[in-house]
Amino acid sequence: SQKIEQNSEALNIQEGKTATLTCNYTNYSPAYLQWYRQDPGRGPVFLLLIRENEKEKRKERLKVTFDTTLKQSLFHITASQPADSATYLCALDRGSGNTGKLIFGQGTTLQVKP
Amino acid sequence: EAGVAQSPRYKIIEKRQSVAFWCNPISGHATLYWYQQILGQGPKLLIQFQNNGVVDDSQLPKDRFSAERLKGVDSTLKIQPAKLEDSAVYLCASSRRTGRSSYNEQFFGPGTRLTVL
Repeated sequence: SQKIEQNSEALNIQEGKTATLTCNYTNYSPAYLQWYRQDPGRGPVFLLLIRENEKEKRKERLKVTFDTTLKQSLFHITASQPADSATYLCALDRGSGNTGKLIFGQGTTLQVKP
Repeated sequence: EAGVAQSPRYKIIEKRQSVAFWCNPISGHATLYWYQQILGQGPKLLIQFQNNGVVDDSQLPKDRFSAERLKGVDSTLKIQPAKLEDSAVYLCASSRRTGRSSYNEQFFGPGTRLTVL
């Protein structure tokens, strides 16, 4: 069955450093991969989408890579700030293309210390 | 623009009771989703509507869960009867549309936290 895995342990880093989060998937060839941010008591917020034919995507301090051979996506936050502390979720569209039928990973909690 | 609205924000019920959740999507969004998020896990898609039609309900436990989206706007999700394992946050999301031409991000509401005792 289709499976998505993210680092289950929380990631603790110092302010100003680069945070790198990993998302691995199996039994799947998604056309899109997305990253969301979720704060306690709130719904997820969309951050970035990357397509299967894109290797890298950037938005301000965020960078996402997508390696369809390794079946892996990396999510980077450069010059991290305490306000970046949250849970980050990766998600794949399990349909053929843009169907909106997302499968989410379990999320990785990031803690940025001042 | 106003975000996705959900109510109630919290609900505590006894097992075997019934419960209903309400969602009002962002105005103009054709696609509406209900997710279940158990503590420590990512959201799990239960049902997807396009306007007032069901696109996918393959992961909806239909023996106890039901959902409707009358008139293609608001939606309700019902659980009857509830079990202990239904304790979770129920999230509603909406997007402009789904299709091959372009991607439309999903906007999530704050969720309803359900506790079944």
